[in-house]
Amino acid sequence: SAVISQKPSRDICQRGTSLTIQCQVDSQVTMMFWYRQQPGQSLTLIATANQGSEATYESGFVIDKFPISRPNLTFSTLTVSNMSPEDSSIYLCSVRPWDGYTFGSGTRLTVV
Amino acid sequence: AQSVTQLDSQVPVFEEAPVELRCNYSSSVSVYLFWYVQYPNQGLQLLLKYLSGSTLVKGINGFEAEFNKSQTSFHLRKPSVHISDTAEYFCAVSASDTDKLIFGTGTRLQVFP
Repeated sequence: SAVISQKPSRDICQRGTSLTIQCQVDSQVTMMFWYRQQPGQSLTLIATANQGSEATYESGFVIDKFPISRPNLTFSTLTVSNMSPEDSSIYLCSVRPWDGYTFGSGTRLTVV
Repeated sequence: AQSVTQLDSQVPVFEEAPVELRCNYSSSVSVYLFWYVQYPNQGLQLLLKYLSGSTLVKGINGFEAEFNKSQTSFHLRKPSVHISDTAEYFCAVSASDTDKLIFGTGTRLQVFP
């Protein structure tokens, strides 16, 4: 199964600033997925990122707030822009090799 | 689009008792089904998955689940729980035409001594 390296593992940020989260996969994958887990909640899909094309965002998420890059088949970034305390969550990336889904260890973001 | 419902937000149970966590899904195409566990302040861990084949799936830590297509269910069971099973359990579904994995709202399993 694929192994994902996600960083940073946690950060505390000032409101109004931006944070970029990186995910590196140890094998080539077509699609990468970005999720948000708000405190005490389930995981919500933010967007799907394909290499060489614009990410596809789920309802309630927009590119200006969560820009995503996918420069190659093993790497992706998610930026949380103009942060507010409501953005405090765990952000996870995921990939789907042939046998199921693998998740990064998550980025715990606190906005103060 | 697919969706998944976990009917029970919390399930309290005594140690060594059996438990069933319910999961129902909705999809117009064939699905792949997963159960994940999340221990406090930890990441997601895959318990088991149904991709095809036998409808009874065995996973880690003594858990099993049965895919029931007619009832669109994928309930998770364990015959005897331990204190260490206390965690949040998430059912998730992926439809064969999208590859997106959609999570249920989660069930908190609380095991009491």
